[in-house]
Amino acid sequence: KAGVTQTPRYLIKTRGQQVTLSCSPISGHRSVSWYQQTPGQGLQFLFEYFSETQRNKGNFPGRFSGRQFSNSRSEMNVSTLELGDSALYLCASSLGGNRFEKLFFGSGTQLSVL
Amino acid sequence: DAKTTQPNSMESNEEEPVHLPCNHSTISGTDYIHWYRQLPSQGPEYVIHGLTSNVNNRMASLAIAEDRKSSTLILHRATLRDAAVYYCILRDEDGKLIFGQGTELSVKP
Repeated sequence: KAGVTQTPRYLIKTRGQQVTLSCSPISGHRSVSWYQQTPGQGLQFLFEYFSETQRNKGNFPGRFSGRQFSNSRSEMNVSTLELGDSALYLCASSLGGNRFEKLFFGSGTQLSVL
Repeated sequence: DAKTTQPNSMESNEEEPVHLPCNHSTISGTDYIHWYRQLPSQGPEYVIHGLTSNVNNRMASLAIAEDRKSSTLILHRATLRDAAVYYCILRDEDGKLIFGQGTELSVKP
C-alpha cells in the first residue's frame, strides 16, 4: 500500500509569488490535514479536510488556503509569499480524522522563499 | 486547546530501556493521548496511542496515569535508529493534532 505522497519535494519561490503544494493520501483515507514546521515555531496545524469540506482550521492568515478533491487528494495554496513562509509543509492522512485514529504523514515539501 | 509538557531532551544508552514522560494536566475525558516521532528529514511517524488503559505494540508501550494527567512512552530496548524527536499530543474531539516542542532523544552506542 502506497504511503502519503507529497509533491514537489523542494520548492524555491520569491516574495510575492504564490505556490501550490499537493498531497495524495493513502488509498481509502478521506481525511487530510496540513502542518507547517519551522525551527522557531515547531509543528503547527494549518487545516483539515474531510470529504471535500474544511473541517478544522488553525491560526494562519487567509493567504493560506486549501482544498480537497473527490478522490481525497488535497492541495494547499499560499498566496503573496513572505520570507517567513519558508518552512517544511507536511500533510497527513487518516481514515476519518477521528481522535482515536492514527495519522500517516508524508515526507513534506520544503519551501524556501527568497 | 489541550497542551502537553515534555522535557526538551533526553539521553539513553543503546539496548537500555527509555522512559519518555509527558504531562497533560488539562486533559479532558475524551482526549486521546498520541505519540509520534520524527527522524531527521522525515515526516512524523505514528508510535502509539491510548485513552485510559496502558497500551503495547511492536514499537513501544504507553503507560497512562490513573488520573490521566500524565503518561510515559516506554521504548524497551533503545537502538540507534530510535534517535528522534518524540511528540506527545492530545487529540480532542475535533481530531486535530496540536504539537508541543517534543523531546529530542539521543541514543549512545
